[in-house]
Amino acid sequence: DQQVKQNSPSLSVQEGRISILNCDYTNSMFDYFLWYKKYPAEGPTFLISISSIKDKNEDGRFTVFLNKSAKHLSLHIVPSQPGDSAVYFCAASEGRNTPLVFGKGTRLSVIA
Amino acid sequence: DSGVTQTPKHLITATGQRVTLRCSPRSGDLSVYWYQQSLDQGLQFLIQYYNGEERAKGNILERFSAQQFPDLHSELNLSSLELGDSALYFCASSSSGRIDEQFFGPGTRLTVL
Repeated sequence: DQQVKQNSPSLSVQEGRISILNCDYTNSMFDYFLWYKKYPAEGPTFLISISSIKDKNEDGRFTVFLNKSAKHLSLHIVPSQPGDSAVYFCAASEGRNTPLVFGKGTRLSVIA
Repeated sequence: DSGVTQTPKHLITATGQRVTLRCSPRSGDLSVYWYQQSLDQGLQFLIQYYNGEERAKGNILERFSAQQFPDLHSELNLSSLELGDSALYFCASSSSGRIDEQFFGPGTRLTVL
């Protein structure tokens, strides 16, 4: 039973436009959410996080939105750049010191 | 470069065999995590060690075991290997055990034939 779901395996976006990656979760005990980015032949790298007391967190071109009632979060990348092409993983946990539960990832392709 | 090293990068072995994957955390990091990423799954948490002690356990099979040594490097032992164990195995480390401070290594790709 998947507790964290990324329903879009892939997404293509033109350079300069907005990329929106979505993630749904089922466990209402999750209170901390993270996005990781992964390039081929490398490990995932932390991108941005949000705790359940917030509904938005911004870091440069990256913004994460959390809708707790819908158990849904999204990552917005504006403007998208070719270097953003990677696999993005959504992850969640029940606290900052508890194990992460990952989604299966969404492959983002930013086309120049 | 995250500072986390994993060896070997690739490993090809046969069913029924046993392998050991090694992870060296970033200098000073006390916590080590192991994850498995198989073809149709996201990253799945296996186990966490903190300063030599097991801190948390995830979906780790009984055929798998891990340990963290006094020098803080960690090994993941996989035995009685099956075809389904073919996957990427990632190690991550953090200084405090906080999940938002994990740095991942490049992974070991295990192929079981």
